[in-house]
Amino acid sequence: AAGVIQSPRHLIKEKRETATLKCYPIPRHDTVYWYQQGPGQDPQFLISFYEKMQSDKGSIPDRFSAQQFSDYHSELNMSSLELGDSALYFCASSLAHRGRLTYEQYFGPGTRLTVT
Amino acid sequence: AQSVSQHNHHVILSEAASLELGCNYSYGGTVNLFWYVQYPGQHLQLLLKYFSGDPLVKGIKGFEAEFIKSKFSFNLRKPSVQWSDTAEYFCAVETYKYIFGTGTRLKVLA
Repeated sequence: AAGVIQSPRHLIKEKRETATLKCYPIPRHDTVYWYQQGPGQDPQFLISFYEKMQSDKGSIPDRFSAQQFSDYHSELNMSSLELGDSALYFCASSLAHRGRLTYEQYFGPGTRLTVT
Repeated sequence: AQSVSQHNHHVILSEAASLELGCNYSYGGTVNLFWYVQYPGQHLQLLLKYFSGDPLVKGIKGFEAEFIKSKFSFNLRKPSVQWSDTAEYFCAVETYKYIFGTGTRLKVLA
């Protein structure tokens, strides 16, 4: 069965550079979530999209932005990167259920971002 | 404010021991409940979920969880753990949004 795809899997950037992470949800899933997991830390919710509109916002820094496109894939844009942005960035997708915006989430393998 | 509490942050067990991980949430309305597992170096995977019906839910790899509405709890159990169960376990609650607990790191000694 198709899973959530994230690209790239690994990314190395320098401070103050920009990065774009991509997430391709499971086919027919209409909701995408982004999480950040720092070394030895728990996943922190960043932002989510439902039907191409932002549905919820968590602890996403102002330097980051994200969007969901017409094909439901999502991109997380990160600017002015800082050392503390080094983390594993998970994307998850789900299918809206009974009118609610969330259902069980299927996680991608993550993009490991290292800022040097 | 809605929250999810996992009381045990670190658990160490010997193989064949029984496991129970606590999860409590604070929300008075209808909830959907989930347990996820993250094996070392891997992404989160769904272990089991509860939406409605039988409050005792069976998941993959011999795990089960019981929803006790009066206690706002959804504890995860396994009768006999294996070394391969070493991982971090996250409880999650869906209300009108999705909230993760802080996770419990389980280490099973061979």
